[in-house]
Amino acid sequence: QKEVEQNSGPLSVPEGAIASLNCTYSDRGSQSFFWYRQYSGKSPELIMFIYSNGDKEDGRFTAQLNKASQYVSLLIRDSQPSDSATYLCAVSNTGNQFYFGTGTSLTVIP
Amino acid sequence: DTGVSQDPRHKITKRGQNVTFRCDPISEHNRLYWYRQTLGQGPEFLTYFQNEAQLEKSRLLSDRFSAERPKGSFSTLEIQRTEQGDSAMYLCASSFSTGWNEKLFFGSGTQLSVL
Repeated sequence: QKEVEQNSGPLSVPEGAIASLNCTYSDRGSQSFFWYRQYSGKSPELIMFIYSNGDKEDGRFTAQLNKASQYVSLLIRDSQPSDSATYLCAVSNTGNQFYFGTGTSLTVIP
Repeated sequence: DTGVSQDPRHKITKRGQNVTFRCDPISEHNRLYWYRQTLGQGPEFLTYFQNEAQLEKSRLLSDRFSAERPKGSFSTLEIQRTEQGDSAMYLCASSFSTGWNEKLFFGSGTQLSVL
């Protein structure tokens, strides 16, 4: 079983819609949760992090964490074509280990 | 405030050659990580340093791979006797260790192609 699981997609949404990206993790001891955006041929860019159960909002992005269900999600409101990228979910315990999912490819259609 | 810097951006080499990559972390960061990423996969952990000490190495890191971080500043990753399976993006990331809220910041990566 992989530590972090993501649906690889591709996920397509029309411009202006809400994109919903999901991630599950296996280690119940995980403490920190991250979303990275990666454009084709580029390196991952940190866009959101969350540590506590519930929602965390930053602009058009909302990260949601449910530790009981071992589930993390990222919502992108008012999706723009520039949001088209691969979104990587990453999870860390306190032991300096960061585990990444394989990423979900998002395409926002103008 | 500069980010994580990696050099070169691209490297093409022939099988059997040695290659070396360099990473300069964000200046106040004490931890430096190396990851490898292939197409369609997430980054895979290779090794990390806290200051100059190499604290952990992945089982993915064969004897042909070696990493150093002299004086706890920049780091180098060397691959000896490259194989075609080594073709990947090699990513460096740095962080400031604060325990549970540590965050990784990546450099632009070095794309290695082994012919």
